[in-house]
Amino acid sequence: EAQVTQNPRYLITVTGKKLTVTCSQNMNHEYMSWYRQDPGLGLRQIYYSMNVEVTDKGDVPEGYKVSRKEKRNFPLILESPSPNQTSLYFCASSQRGGGETQYFGPGTRLLVL
Amino acid sequence: GENVEQHPSTLSVQEGDSAVIKCTYSDSASNYFPWYKQELGKRPQLIIDIRSNVGEKKDQRIAVTLNKTAKHFSLHITETQPEDSAVYFCAASSPDRGSTLGRLYFGRGTQLTLWP
Repeated sequence: EAQVTQNPRYLITVTGKKLTVTCSQNMNHEYMSWYRQDPGLGLRQIYYSMNVEVTDKGDVPEGYKVSRKEKRNFPLILESPSPNQTSLYFCASSQRGGGETQYFGPGTRLLVL
Repeated sequence: GENVEQHPSTLSVQEGDSAVIKCTYSDSASNYFPWYKQELGKRPQLIIDIRSNVGEKKDQRIAVTLNKTAKHFSLHITETQPEDSAVYFCAASSPDRGSTLGRLYFGRGTQLTLWP
């Protein structure tokens, strides 16, 4: 089954404790991206990747890191989480870019205390 | 970069009536305009999209119209049903740094609520 998976789905952590949210897709998609969703602000792009080893900042990259060592995986790293990073995070992928259907993962709800 | 504005932020309609959600965009180079539906607790999913060489597209009860001159596009839902209750996001894809592979910019969403 074609899908995008994320782990964990829910996470409660404390300020400053490094964490990684994994994202994996099995559709051989070149384009992957991370969004955060906050009430009233819609979906804001954090980082995106056009292909392996090619990543770029989105609109709200501060406090986040990403890597794309393999085509199928695109982990999101919060090296020193802060309470303002409490949010719902979605990973998405598409065949080649933003001009195509985005397939979203199930979301990761993060609470930073 | 691109700026997508979406209105209204909330919309309440009676079941069976029509609903219209409007979006404007700023970058005249944007060429792809999808609409995503997000049900409560679920992920966003594409419901319809339109490219800049087309003015209108329909799929059963939903339709999207695009006015390139005015840089706005709209989602129309006719004969609304309970399962249409959700948050709807518009988006625009704009070429990024000369690449033909665009980035996608989302509006802030519209909460559509139906009442009996």
